[in-house]
Amino acid sequence: EIVLTQSPGTLSLSPGERATLSCRASQSVNSNYLAWYQQNRGQAPRLLIYGASTRATGIPDRFSGSGSGTDFTLTISRLEPEDFAVYYCQHYDTSPGRFTFGPGTKVDIK
Amino acid sequence: QVQLVESGGGLVKPGGSLRLSCAASGFIFSDFYISWIRQAPGKGLEWVSYITGGGDPVYYADSVKGRFTISRDNTKKTVYLQMNSLRAEDTAVYYCARIGDFARWRSSFYFDHWGQGTLVTVSS
Repeated sequence: EIVLTQSPGTLSLSPGERATLSCRASQSVNSNYLAWYQQNRGQAPRLLIYGASTRATGIPDRFSGSGSGTDFTLTISRLEPEDFAVYYCQHYDTSPGRFTFGPGTKVDIK
Repeated sequence: QVQLVESGGGLVKPGGSLRLSCAASGFIFSDFYISWIRQAPGKGLEWVSYITGGGDPVYYADSVKGRFTISRDNTKKTVYLQMNSLRAEDTAVYYCARIGDFARWRSSFYFDHWGQGTLVTVSS
């Protein structure tokens, strides 16, 4: 079973700063099956990135994803006020057909 | 536009049952896989189950296997989650979500649209 670990648990930054969030898998994974989501308080999650690096429809280009193997990164180039939220990575394991989420990284205002 | 609306949540006693519904609109329902994902209060996201476009096969997380059953009615554009033998640890907001468009990309195992969720509370 693949386990996803996200770091840091909380990231305290100011608007305009760069955010770098990490997602590490317990074993090498197919990057096609790695996605990132944003969840604001009281709302449903929103898809940001799929296939490790492809932005979803309507996602601003300040969001970017990268990585392969066991190490993946979500970067927010310049934080906007609406970007202060919790971010989750997610992986799909084709055998046995199971999704896994990381525990999340909270980005809060410094 | 794509819409997913969950219903059926509520308060139930341990050992009880509940059926959730997810009504979809704005896309060709039978072409898409649908999933249930839950979030316990103050906690992270946990995948629960998903169902393929035709209704078979279906997949479950180990934590719910044997207790929960996912199904769909493509004529009603609705997915169901029958939850039996409920436990306190099943307390959560339950979201339904559409799995990505395999016609665009065959590796589309991500959740591109989500409902707003329905709260299930298991307590005596």
